[in-house]
Amino acid sequence: GIQVEQSPPDLILQEGANSTLRCNFSDSVNNLQWFHQNPWGQLINLFYIPSGTKQNGRLSATTVATERYSLLYISSSQTTDSGVYFCAVESAGGTSYGKLTFGQGTILTVHP
Amino acid sequence: GAVVSQHPSRVICKSGTSVKIECRSLDFQATTMFWYRQFPKQSLMLMATSNEGSKATYEQGVEKDKFLINHASLTLSTLTVTSAHPEDSSFYICSAQQYPGELFFGEGSRLTVL
Repeated sequence: GIQVEQSPPDLILQEGANSTLRCNFSDSVNNLQWFHQNPWGQLINLFYIPSGTKQNGRLSATTVATERYSLLYISSSQTTDSGVYFCAVESAGGTSYGKLTFGQGTILTVHP
Repeated sequence: GAVVSQHPSRVICKSGTSVKIECRSLDFQATTMFWYRQFPKQSLMLMATSNEGSKATYEQGVEKDKFLINHASLTLSTLTVTSAHPEDSSFYICSAQQYPGELFFGEGSRLTVL
């Protein structure tokens, strides 16, 4: 099956700093989503971005499908940005309709 | 975005009992829903695909007799953990999609089996 690798596994920042999270995937995808998992476990949708670039406030994301990677940018980080960030993809091959394969996540800690 | 609701959010049960978790799509119809499981400090793993009006499809290694899935309508899927044991304690989370497109997740259900 498709492999999804996220880096870095852990990231510690001071408030106000910028960061880039990376997601590499091993095969073509129909769907790529970025999530933030809050302390209660809920997955918050950040971006639906199988290709191209999107921005939402301090967050932006870029997926280069031909090179099989996606980047999540967080600017002017805040303590509330702390948590686990997941990248998840739906493989374009076979019968993977709607099935997401998750990376291992990046644990972000933002200190005041 | 679309709203997916899950209930209960937390459940504690005794070993040997069965527990039912509901997943509802509140503002759209979902012919397919997905159930995931997450152990502490780990990623999410797909357990099964729930298809309205037909049998669920389970991922390799998931016991279908242990985790019963019913997709009774276009807005409701249920996961029943039968004869639960402490090793079944986990965070269970469902998702739904208006295919093709973005998937949305429920709030998750934390199961603790004593």
